[in-house]
Amino acid sequence: LAKTTQPISMDSYEGQEVNITCSHNNIATNDYITWYQQFPSQGPRFIIQGYKTKVTNEVASLFIPADRKSSTLSLPRVSLSDTAVYYCLVGDTGFQKLVFGTGTRLLVSP
Amino acid sequence: GAGVSQTPSNKVTEKGKYVELRCDPISGHTALYWYRQSLGQGPEFLIYFQGTGAADDSGLPNDRFFAVRPEGSVSTLKIQRTERGDSAVYLCASSSGRMEAFFGQGTRLTVV
Repeated sequence: LAKTTQPISMDSYEGQEVNITCSHNNIATNDYITWYQQFPSQGPRFIIQGYKTKVTNEVASLFIPADRKSSTLSLPRVSLSDTAVYYCLVGDTGFQKLVFGTGTRLLVSP
Repeated sequence: GAGVSQTPSNKVTEKGKYVELRCDPISGHTALYWYRQSLGQGPEFLIYFQGTGAADDSGLPNDRFFAVRPEGSVSTLKIQRTERGDSAVYLCASSSGRMEAFFGQGTRLTVV
């Protein structure tokens, strides 16, 4: 399983765009990049997954450059409720254990 | 059910006692995962089931921890001779694949 590296924490203000970058230099050909969000006292929640280029859903966008050695989760116009820990995971989409790192703790202030 | 259900939500036990934590996965999900999470840390993998069998139990810390999923649905995580270091939130998740797992709210275990 490819190891991932993310910033430990980020601060932002309401209404700003937040970009969280994850490094995964040893990503394998069959690996996808998946992001989870975790609020206090809750289990992680899947938010987005991608293989290459750009993926967008109602929650976030995921940008993956051609070499796939990193990825950026983009949260547009964050609100206080986006304060959470965000985890980047890398692996193929077959059944396997999901390995979480320490994640990025995002704090959104008024 | 609509989501992954874990019971109990909180469990306080005395050091040395035996505890069981239950997980009801989303109906039809063949994969089931157990994690534990300490304050300020990411979820730590314990064990993963594919159907009734443990596909990967490499995360179980020692032989005091055991998990079963006898009918390929509900799973029970069993901890013998609990220690204070076992105190954590135990998370269960289920999945139908593609790295999209659905987590329960967790069981907060406190060993006193």
